[in-house]
Amino acid sequence: AQTVTQSQPEMSVQEAETVTLSCTYDTSESDYYLFWYKQPPSRQMILVIRQEAYKQQNATENRFSVNFQKAAKSFSLKISDSQLGDAAMYFCAYRSSTTQGGSEKLVFGKGTKLTVNP
Amino acid sequence: EAQVTQNPRYLITVTGKKLTVTCSQNMNHEYMSWYRQDPGLGLRQIYYSMNVEVTDKGDVPEGYKVSRKEKRNFPLILESPSPNQTSLYFCASSFRATGNTIYFGEGSWLTVV
Repeated sequence: AQTVTQSQPEMSVQEAETVTLSCTYDTSESDYYLFWYKQPPSRQMILVIRQEAYKQQNATENRFSVNFQKAAKSFSLKISDSQLGDAAMYFCAYRSSTTQGGSEKLVFGKGTKLTVNP
Repeated sequence: EAQVTQNPRYLITVTGKKLTVTCSQNMNHEYMSWYRQDPGLGLRQIYYSMNVEVTDKGDVPEGYKVSRKEKRNFPLILESPSPNQTSLYFCASSFRATGNTIYFGEGSWLTVV
């Protein structure tokens, strides 16, 4: 079974600075999808960024980018020019590319709580 | 607007009193699922459905039931709630091809006393 590990329960960053959140995963599959979700105090789950494992190019969405290291099974999220609104819980998630049985679920890490200091 | 709608959003109930949390999506998604979120544990899948009348257990199905009679709806049923089912619940949906984005509802806070 796949597992996702976020080793940083909490992180903090100064406004306008850059922060990197870590995520590692374990899988025997070669094709899969990785996601970062943001959960603000409202508890809504907001998709931040996604990465297809077959793509070597790292995904970017405005101030958010990932460092995807497939061999190392690492998928870190970099937030540039941090803003107060970035303060939230961030979840890394894995989704298999197969569509058999229960494989379509998202497997989540336990989350990293990000604080942004003014 | 693409939406996954859950109701109720907040509920306090007593042990043993049956309750249903409804979930509806307007995107014609085949795949729907329920997750629960607990502090320090992330989100864990309870049940999922790959299409109408097709449901199966996720990682933490004990104490829950589901049904999928219509494509848009996927209710979560707690037949006899217990305090350990106090949690934040999310309904989610997507198209079957797993590269598609999973959309989440806004969450339902459930407290069982």
